[in-house]
Amino acid sequence: AQRVTQPEKLLSVFKGAPVELKCNYSYSGSPELFWYVQYSRQRLQLLLRHISRESIKGFTADLNKGETSFHLKKPFAQEEDSAMYYCALGGNGNTDKLIFGTGTRLQVFP
Amino acid sequence: DAGVTQSPTHLIKTRGQQVTLRCSPKSGHDTVSWYQQALGQGPQFIFQYYEEEERQRGNFPDRFSGHQFPNYSSELNVNALLLGDSALYLCASSSSRRETQYFGPGTRLLVL
Repeated sequence: AQRVTQPEKLLSVFKGAPVELKCNYSYSGSPELFWYVQYSRQRLQLLLRHISRESIKGFTADLNKGETSFHLKKPFAQEEDSAMYYCALGGNGNTDKLIFGTGTRLQVFP
Repeated sequence: DAGVTQSPTHLIKTRGQQVTLRCSPKSGHDTVSWYQQALGQGPQFIFQYYEEEERQRGNFPDRFSGHQFPNYSSELNVNALLLGDSALYLCASSSSRRETQYFGPGTRLLVL
Protein backbone atom coordinates (compact mmCIF):
# COMPACT_ATOMS: atom_id res chain seq x y z
CA ALA A 1 0.00 0.00 0.00
CA GLN A 2 1.10 3.54 -0.69
CA ARG A 3 1.78 5.38 2.50
CA VAL A 4 3.72 8.34 3.88
CA THR A 5 4.87 8.41 7.49
CA GLN A 6 5.97 11.49 9.38
CA PRO A 7 6.82 10.18 12.84
CA GLU A 8 7.05 13.53 14.63
CA LYS A 9 3.97 15.66 15.23
CA LEU A 10 6.05 18.46 16.71
CA LEU A 11 9.67 19.47 16.41
CA SER A 12 10.98 22.34 18.51
CA VAL A 13 14.40 23.89 18.02
CA PHE A 14 16.18 27.13 18.78
CA LYS A 15 17.13 29.62 16.11
CA GLY A 16 20.39 28.64 14.45
CA ALA A 17 20.06 24.94 15.29
CA PRO A 18 19.96 22.28 12.57
CA VAL A 19 16.61 20.86 11.59
CA GLU A 20 15.65 17.47 10.18
CA LEU A 21 12.03 16.61 9.53
CA LYS A 22 11.63 12.92 8.86
CA CYS A 23 9.58 11.35 6.09
CA ASN A 24 9.38 7.68 5.13
CA TYR A 25 7.29 6.30 2.32
CA SER A 26 5.96 3.01 1.07
CA TYR A 27 5.56 2.67 -2.70
CA SER A 28 6.39 -0.06 -5.18
CA GLY A 29 6.83 2.07 -8.31
CA SER A 30 8.94 5.12 -9.11
CA PRO A 31 8.03 7.63 -6.43
CA GLU A 32 7.87 11.35 -6.74
CA LEU A 33 8.35 13.02 -3.38
CA PHE A 34 7.39 16.50 -2.32
CA TRP A 35 7.55 18.71 0.73
CA TYR A 36 4.67 21.14 1.20
CA VAL A 37 4.62 23.88 3.83
CA GLN A 38 1.79 25.77 5.44
CA TYR A 39 2.64 28.98 7.27
CA SER A 40 0.18 30.42 9.77
CA ARG A 41 -3.00 31.62 8.03
CA GLN A 42 -1.63 30.81 4.58
CA ARG A 43 -2.46 28.14 2.07
CA LEU A 44 -0.53 24.96 1.51
CA GLN A 45 2.38 25.61 -0.85
CA LEU A 46 5.09 23.54 -2.45
CA LEU A 47 8.47 23.87 -0.77
CA LEU A 48 10.45 21.48 -2.91
CA ARG A 49 10.24 18.30 -4.98
CA HIS A 50 12.92 15.66 -5.24
CA ILE A 51 13.06 15.73 -9.02
CA SER A 52 14.20 19.37 -8.96
CA ARG A 53 17.12 18.68 -6.61
CA GLU A 54 17.16 22.32 -5.54
CA SER A 55 17.45 24.14 -2.25
CA ILE A 56 14.56 26.39 -1.30
CA LYS A 57 14.84 28.79 1.65
CA GLY A 58 17.90 26.84 2.74
CA PHE A 59 16.00 23.53 2.88
CA THR A 60 17.17 20.42 1.06
CA ALA A 61 15.81 16.89 0.83
CA ASP A 62 17.43 13.83 -0.68
CA LEU A 63 15.48 10.83 -1.87
CA ASN A 64 16.97 7.65 -0.39
CA LYS A 65 15.33 4.75 -2.18
CA GLY A 66 17.19 2.17 -0.10
CA GLU A 67 15.79 3.56 3.14
CA THR A 68 12.58 4.79 1.44
CA SER A 69 13.10 8.18 3.04
CA PHE A 70 12.89 11.82 2.00
CA HIS A 71 13.97 13.76 5.06
CA LEU A 72 13.89 17.57 4.98
CA LYS A 73 16.96 19.32 6.33
CA LYS A 74 18.17 22.81 7.07
CA PRO A 75 21.51 23.55 8.72
CA PHE A 76 20.44 26.70 10.56
CA ALA A 77 16.79 27.20 11.47
CA GLN A 78 15.19 30.64 11.37
CA GLU A 79 12.14 31.83 13.29
CA GLU A 80 10.28 32.34 10.02
CA ASP A 81 10.62 28.60 9.32
CA SER A 82 7.98 27.92 11.98
CA ALA A 83 5.16 26.23 10.10
CA MET A 84 3.43 22.95 9.37
CA TYR A 85 5.37 20.70 7.01
CA TYR A 86 3.82 17.88 4.98
CA CYS A 87 5.64 15.22 3.05
CA ALA A 88 3.72 13.96 0.00
CA LEU A 89 4.08 11.04 -2.40
CA GLY A 90 3.16 11.29 -6.07
CA GLY A 91 3.97 9.34 -9.20
CA ASN A 92 0.70 7.45 -9.17
CA GLY A 93 0.27 6.28 -12.74
CA ASN A 94 -1.70 8.56 -14.99
CA THR A 95 -2.62 11.12 -12.39
CA ASP A 96 -0.68 13.36 -10.05
CA LYS A 97 -2.68 12.29 -7.01
CA LEU A 98 -0.77 13.11 -3.86
CA ILE A 99 -0.64 11.01 -0.71
CA PHE A 100 0.21 13.14 2.30
CA GLY A 101 1.71 12.36 5.65
CA THR A 102 0.11 13.66 8.83
CA GLY A 103 2.51 16.58 9.02
CA THR A 104 5.13 17.88 11.43
CA ARG A 105 4.81 21.21 13.15
CA LEU A 106 8.17 22.97 13.35
CA GLN A 107 8.58 25.55 16.09
CA VAL A 108 11.72 27.68 16.02
CA PHE A 109 12.32 29.61 19.22
CA PRO A 110 14.41 32.82 19.33
CA ASP B 1 -3.47 35.99 -11.08
CA ALA B 2 -5.29 35.26 -7.83
CA GLY B 3 -4.21 31.68 -7.96
CA VAL B 4 -6.62 28.95 -6.98
CA THR B 5 -9.78 30.33 -5.43
CA GLN B 6 -12.44 28.50 -3.46
CA SER B 7 -15.88 29.44 -2.21
CA PRO B 8 -17.32 29.68 0.29
CA THR B 9 -14.62 30.05 2.93
CA HIS B 10 -16.76 28.62 5.71
CA LEU B 11 -19.97 26.63 5.78
CA ILE B 12 -22.18 25.15 8.48
CA LYS B 13 -24.63 22.38 7.64
CA THR B 14 -26.66 19.83 9.56
CA ARG B 15 -26.59 16.07 9.20
CA GLY B 16 -28.40 14.77 6.14
CA GLN B 17 -28.08 17.98 4.17
CA GLN B 18 -26.23 18.40 0.90
CA VAL B 19 -23.40 20.82 0.16
CA THR B 20 -21.66 22.19 -2.93
CA LEU B 21 -18.16 23.63 -2.83
CA ARG B 22 -16.60 25.53 -5.69
CA CYS B 23 -13.10 25.93 -7.06
CA SER B 24 -11.54 28.07 -9.77
CA PRO B 25 -8.12 26.86 -10.90
CA LYS B 26 -5.04 28.94 -11.41
CA SER B 27 -4.90 30.62 -14.82
CA GLY B 28 -3.62 28.19 -17.44
CA HIS B 29 -4.40 25.08 -15.40
CA ASP B 30 -6.79 22.42 -16.68
CA THR B 31 -6.67 19.78 -13.95
CA VAL B 32 -8.42 20.04 -10.60
CA SER B 33 -8.00 17.76 -7.60
CA TRP B 34 -10.00 17.77 -4.39
CA TYR B 35 -8.69 16.80 -0.97
CA GLN B 36 -10.26 16.45 2.46
CA GLN B 37 -8.21 17.48 5.48
CA ALA B 38 -9.59 16.42 8.83
CA LEU B 39 -8.30 18.11 11.98
CA GLY B 40 -4.77 16.98 12.78
CA GLN B 41 -4.42 15.00 9.57
CA GLY B 42 -2.80 15.51 6.22
CA PRO B 43 -4.94 16.10 3.14
CA GLN B 44 -6.60 12.99 1.68
CA PHE B 45 -7.26 12.69 -2.04
CA ILE B 46 -10.93 12.61 -3.01
CA PHE B 47 -10.82 12.75 -6.82
CA GLN B 48 -9.31 14.52 -9.80
CA TYR B 49 -10.96 16.06 -12.83
CA TYR B 50 -9.43 16.56 -16.26
CA GLU B 51 -11.25 17.40 -19.51
CA GLU B 52 -14.53 17.45 -17.57
CA GLU B 53 -14.18 13.82 -16.50
CA GLU B 54 -13.26 12.18 -13.23
CA ARG B 55 -9.82 10.73 -13.88
CA GLN B 56 -9.11 9.05 -10.57
CA ARG B 57 -10.91 8.61 -7.30
CA GLY B 58 -9.67 8.09 -3.77
CA ASN B 59 -11.27 5.99 -1.07
CA PHE B 60 -14.41 8.07 -0.60
CA PRO B 61 -18.04 6.94 -0.84
CA ASP B 62 -20.38 7.80 -3.69
CA ARG B 63 -21.89 10.54 -1.53
CA PHE B 64 -18.92 12.56 -2.76
CA SER B 65 -19.31 13.62 -6.36
CA GLY B 66 -17.90 16.31 -8.55
CA HIS B 67 -18.04 18.13 -11.78
CA GLN B 68 -15.71 20.11 -14.00
CA PHE B 69 -16.96 22.83 -16.31
CA PRO B 70 -15.62 23.82 -19.74
CA ASN B 71 -13.76 26.76 -18.14
CA TYR B 72 -11.95 24.19 -15.92
CA SER B 73 -13.63 25.32 -12.70
CA SER B 74 -14.95 22.54 -10.54
CA GLU B 75 -17.54 21.68 -7.92
CA LEU B 76 -17.48 19.15 -5.12
CA ASN B 77 -20.86 17.88 -3.94
CA VAL B 78 -21.44 15.92 -0.77
CA ASN B 79 -24.84 14.36 -0.12
CA ALA B 80 -26.36 13.05 3.11
CA LEU B 81 -23.79 14.82 5.25
CA LEU B 82 -22.38 13.04 8.27
CA LEU B 83 -20.69 14.54 11.31
CA GLY B 84 -17.46 12.95 10.10
CA ASP B 85 -17.57 15.04 6.93
CA SER B 86 -16.54 18.07 8.99
CA ALA B 87 -13.17 19.05 7.58
CA LEU B 88 -11.22 21.50 5.48
CA TYR B 89 -11.80 20.81 1.78
CA LEU B 90 -8.90 21.75 -0.43
CA CYS B 91 -8.85 22.23 -4.15
CA ALA B 92 -5.61 21.99 -6.10
CA SER B 93 -4.94 22.74 -9.74
CA SER B 94 -2.16 21.82 -12.14
CA SER B 95 -1.41 22.31 -15.82
CA SER B 96 -0.89 18.72 -16.87
CA ARG B 97 -0.05 15.34 -15.51
CA ARG B 98 2.75 15.27 -12.98
CA GLU B 99 3.04 19.02 -12.72
CA THR B 100 3.15 20.91 -9.43
CA GLN B 101 -0.22 21.20 -7.74
CA TYR B 102 -1.21 24.63 -6.46
CA PHE B 103 -3.62 24.67 -3.55
CA GLY B 104 -6.49 26.98 -2.75
CA PRO B 105 -7.19 28.34 0.73
CA GLY B 106 -9.83 25.71 1.38
CA THR B 107 -13.45 25.63 2.50
CA ARG B 108 -14.04 24.76 6.12
CA LEU B 109 -17.17 22.66 6.49
CA LEU B 110 -18.78 22.04 9.85
CA VAL B 111 -21.57 19.49 10.07
CA LEU B 112 -23.76 19.71 13.18
